[in-house]
Amino acid sequence: ELKVEQNPLFLSMQEGKNYTIYCNYSTTSDRLYWYRQDPGKSLESLFVLLSNGAVKQEGRLMASLDTKARLSTLHITAAVHDLSATYFCAVDFLGGGADGLTFGKGTHLIIQP
Amino acid sequence: DADVTQTPRNRITKTGKRIMLECSQTKGHDRMYWYRQDPGLGLQLIYYSFDVKDINKGEISDGYSVSRQAQAKFSLSLESAIPNQTALYFCATSDPATGYGYTFGSGTRLTVV
Repeated sequence: ELKVEQNPLFLSMQEGKNYTIYCNYSTTSDRLYWYRQDPGKSLESLFVLLSNGAVKQEGRLMASLDTKARLSTLHITAAVHDLSATYFCAVDFLGGGADGLTFGKGTHLIIQP
Repeated sequence: DADVTQTPRNRITKTGKRIMLECSQTKGHDRMYWYRQDPGLGLQLIYYSFDVKDINKGEISDGYSVSRQAQAKFSLSLESAIPNQTALYFCATSDPATGYGYTFGSGTRLTVV
């Protein structure tokens, strides 16, 4: 069974600070996704990481993937209020003919002025 | 128009009623999915379909059924709704042949009273 664990689940931080969200998963997978969700809204795709060592950056967000450690990180640099949202990581399950994404529980991020 | 359209956007129904949530897509993707989101639990896979003739149960299929009427249409039914099916429901599509991204609909907020 594939399990995806995120931490922290809740994070309150000040503008201008840096922080990292961690995503661990339990079974081999080479595809790791990060999504952003605003309250009551759909999921916005942030990053798709397809190989070990992959690193992608968009603005103040940077995501990386270590498939050997089964770990992905989402790093926030010099946070701004507009980044307040819930962030999900999700993994494709490769085995048994199954399909679809398995999600972590999400990290609820609040950035205070 | 959105690539993945869900109807209705909001629905309140009574316990024991049958209800259908609809999803249509213009992406031309073969794979379609239904997810359920509960607060603090991320998204959980209900059903998925590789094509019109291929329907598969996800991790939480009990109490739900689906119909893939065409490549572009995938409906989710609650045969006899119960209050703990109150949740936000998302439809999604993917096509590994064109990349590994998933496209999510805007969601249907269902309340069972």
